[in-house]
Amino acid sequence: EAGVVQSPRYKIIEKKQPVAFWCNPISGHNTLYWYLQNLGQGPELLIRYENEEAVDDSQLPKDRFSAERLKGVDSTLKIQPAELGDSAVYLCASSLGRTGWDEQFFGPGTRLTVL
Amino acid sequence: AQSVSQHNHHVILSEAASLELGCNYSYGGTVNLFWYVQYPGQHLQLLLKYFSGDPLVKGIKGFEAEFIKSKFSFNLRKPSVQWSDTAEYFCAVFPSSNTGKLIFGQGTTLQVKP
Repeated sequence: EAGVVQSPRYKIIEKKQPVAFWCNPISGHNTLYWYLQNLGQGPELLIRYENEEAVDDSQLPKDRFSAERLKGVDSTLKIQPAELGDSAVYLCASSLGRTGWDEQFFGPGTRLTVL
Repeated sequence: AQSVSQHNHHVILSEAASLELGCNYSYGGTVNLFWYVQYPGQHLQLLLKYFSGDPLVKGIKGFEAEFIKSKFSFNLRKPSVQWSDTAEYFCAVFPSSNTGKLIFGQGTTLQVKP
């Protein structure tokens, strides 16, 4: 079974440039998550989708971050414009459902460096 | 605010030594508890989980964790570590009232010397 796929794995951009990350969850998983992981920290939830609906985006900085999951399958997270402080690993995860019983499977992440 | 605290940021052990990583959480209600592991160059994967019942749970690769409700703790243990256990370990809490939100600790880096 294929796991959660993310691309690109690494991205280096200059500040004020836009950047986008892509995630394809495990087939059949209705719930998709984007997490931010700063160096030396644990992942923090940015946004959670149930099918195509964003049901928890309270931690997403909406002035520069946006996300979409148009057909309820793959998803894109965008930053525009990027700032130096956005340098981090962006993780995507998916699960069958939204409860604590539904294991979240993580992708390899996209490591973003903003210069 | 709900939070998870891991006491040790960096642990160095020799092979065959015993391991215990501390994890405490702040939430007064029912929780689901998890330990995730991230081996070098790999993605986060589930090591073990606690939902209910026996507070001593066993996971993969000989790891176990004990839920002590009165102490809000979920410490990870392994009697004898191997070099291949070198990784970063994350404790995570799923507060029952917060559907879908997994709250992670800051992680503990374990280095096992051969």
